Formats: sequence, C-alpha cells, structure tokens
Amino acid sequence: AQSVAQPEDQVNVAEGNPLTVKCTYSVSGNPYLFWYVQYPNRGLQFLLKYITGDNLVKGSYGFEAEFNKSQTSFHLKKPSALVSDSALYFCAVRDINNAGNMLTFGGGTRLMVKP
Amino acid sequence: EAGVAQSPRYKIIEKRQSVAFWCNPISGHATLYWYQQILGQGPKLLIQFQNNGVVDDSQLPKDRFSAERLKGVDSTLKIQPAKLEDSAVYLCASNFDSLRTEAFFGQGTRLTVV
Repeated sequence: AQSVAQPEDQVNVAEGNPLTVKCTYSVSGNPYLFWYVQYPNRGLQFLLKYITGDNLVKGSYGFEAEFNKSQTSFHLKKPSALVSDSALYFCAVRDINNAGNMLTFGGGTRLMVKP
Repeated sequence: EAGVAQSPRYKIIEKRQSVAFWCNPISGHATLYWYQQILGQGPKLLIQFQNNGVVDDSQLPKDRFSAERLKGVDSTLKIQPAKLEDSAVYLCASNFDSLRTEAFFGQGTRLTVV
C-alpha cells in the first residue's frame, strides 16, 4: 500500500527566510509525487510535481521541491517566504505500478509565515 | 478551461437524515475522485471512478455512503443516514487519464451534521 508522511503539523518561519516543508513517502514501485496548497474554505491547488528527470522541480509561486530516492523524501522549499504563503500544504503520491491511478495524501502541514 | 464544479458549497443536516453532493469534472477527464477531509486532516479517498466504472472504493463506508457516475461525466455522492462523524469537507477531483497528470480539485462541500 502507498502512503505519505508529513512529520510536522506546523512550520513557523519569518518572512524573508527560507522555508522547508517535509514529506516522506512509501510505495512498492517508483513514485509520482505532488504538492498541493489549501487556503481557507478553498479546494486544493496544485503547486508542482515530480514525474521523472531532474530531482529538483520548480513550481508555482516560487516553490520548488527536491526528490530524494534514497531517503524517500520530497521536501517542499522556498528561498524567501512571504506572509501570503501561510496556508495548509499537502504532499501526495502515486505508485507508477498502481494501474488504478490512486492518489494518496499526507496529513498536511500548516505553514505560518510571520511578518 | 472550466474547473471542477461542486454543489452545494455548504450543507447542514440533522443526524439520520440523508444528503447528496454533486460534482461535474473538467471536460475530458476520465478519472473522478471523491475525498473526505475532516478538519485538521489530509484528504482521504472515498471512491475513485474511471469513466463510469469504480476503480477503488475500499474506504467507502458502504452501509451509508453510495456514489455513482452515470455516463462517465458528473457524479453524485450520497450519505444515508448521516452520522455526526460524517461532518467534513467533501472534495471532488478529476484527472486526465494518465498517472503523470495532476488532479484538479473543486472547492468542496462543507457538511455539518448536528
């Protein structure tokens, strides 16, 4: 079975500082990995994905994520945080060997960026 | 491109009543998901359709929840009878028929069972 862990319920960072939101995954085959962001009373918005190729992927709003196969991680990063980045962030995984195309989410991490 | 449409946005019902949610996915998206998101938790997959067939419903409480996707386009999710613990946001998402593509989410229906 595939699963995702987001070990931090909340991450606090000062505006202008770099941020990291952690994600580790477990799949039987090779993963396709995704990050989504959720603002209050809104659905999930896609940020970025890793499918293949360069381990560092760039996405919307200046976010990027690094795929690390040996550590089974896909941490979300941003060089300089903005107050408007404060939201709930979800990591998700698909197993490419899972013909059912199932998309499994982690429990989420709340990012708080303080002025 | 129109997004995933869901209705209603909010619903308040008493326990033991029934409720139905509607979802219209993005045109051309073969895969449709229903997720349940309880406050403070990540989305939990309830059911996944590929066209009008069920791919996975292993986490759907089938004694009270049902879902259908007639004609492989829009979908309805029903709860009958509702319990207090069903209070959550119900998210619909759709996906082009590929493992490589991201899912697009609707704004969700917030259900409160009192």
